[in-house]
Amino acid sequence: EAQVTQNPRYLITVTGKKLTVTCSQNMNHEYMSWYRQDPGLGLRQIYYSMNVEVTDKGDVPEGYKVSRKEKRNFPLILESPSPNQTSLYFCASSLKGYNEQFFGPGTRLTVL
Amino acid sequence: RKEVEQDPGPFNVPEGATVAFNCTYSNSASQSFFWYRQDCRKEPKLLMSVYSSGNEDGRFTAQLNRASQYISLLIRDSKLSDSATYLCVVNKKDSSYKLIFGSGTRLLVRP
Repeated sequence: EAQVTQNPRYLITVTGKKLTVTCSQNMNHEYMSWYRQDPGLGLRQIYYSMNVEVTDKGDVPEGYKVSRKEKRNFPLILESPSPNQTSLYFCASSLKGYNEQFFGPGTRLTVL
Repeated sequence: RKEVEQDPGPFNVPEGATVAFNCTYSNSASQSFFWYRQDCRKEPKLLMSVYSSGNEDGRFTAQLNRASQYISLLIRDSKLSDSATYLCVVNKKDSSYKLIFGSGTRLLVRP
């Protein structure tokens, strides 16, 4: 089944404790992206990747890191999480950046 | 001006009604247009792509007006299950080719 998976689905952590949210797709897509969604603000892009080893900042990259060592995986790293990073996070992939994107199920992160 | 603007709603309609949403975009060079549906706390899912000539998928019709830079979504014979938030999505035609998501229009279909 073609899909985008994210782990964990839910995470409660404390300020400053490094964490990684994994994202994997099995559709051989070149483009992958991370979004956060907050009430009233819609989906905001954090980082995206046009292909392996090619990443770039989205609209709200501060406090996040990403890597794209393999085509299928695009982990999101929070080196020192803060409460303002409490949000619902979605990973997405598409064949190319301008095609329709397929989303993972989301990760609900709470930083205390 | 936001790159993609939508009326947040909610649109509250009875079952069987016809409802239409509009979305305006600012970048005249945009080439790809989509409508996504998002249920509460779930991931957005592609509802339909929007083509220049307009397109229809069952009860759903999407139109593109390049001159006025807006896209529309028409839902006929609304069902309770159509209750959701509808996101307008436009590509940002620059070197990144990334998609820009509107904040969404909420639809509530009542019995």
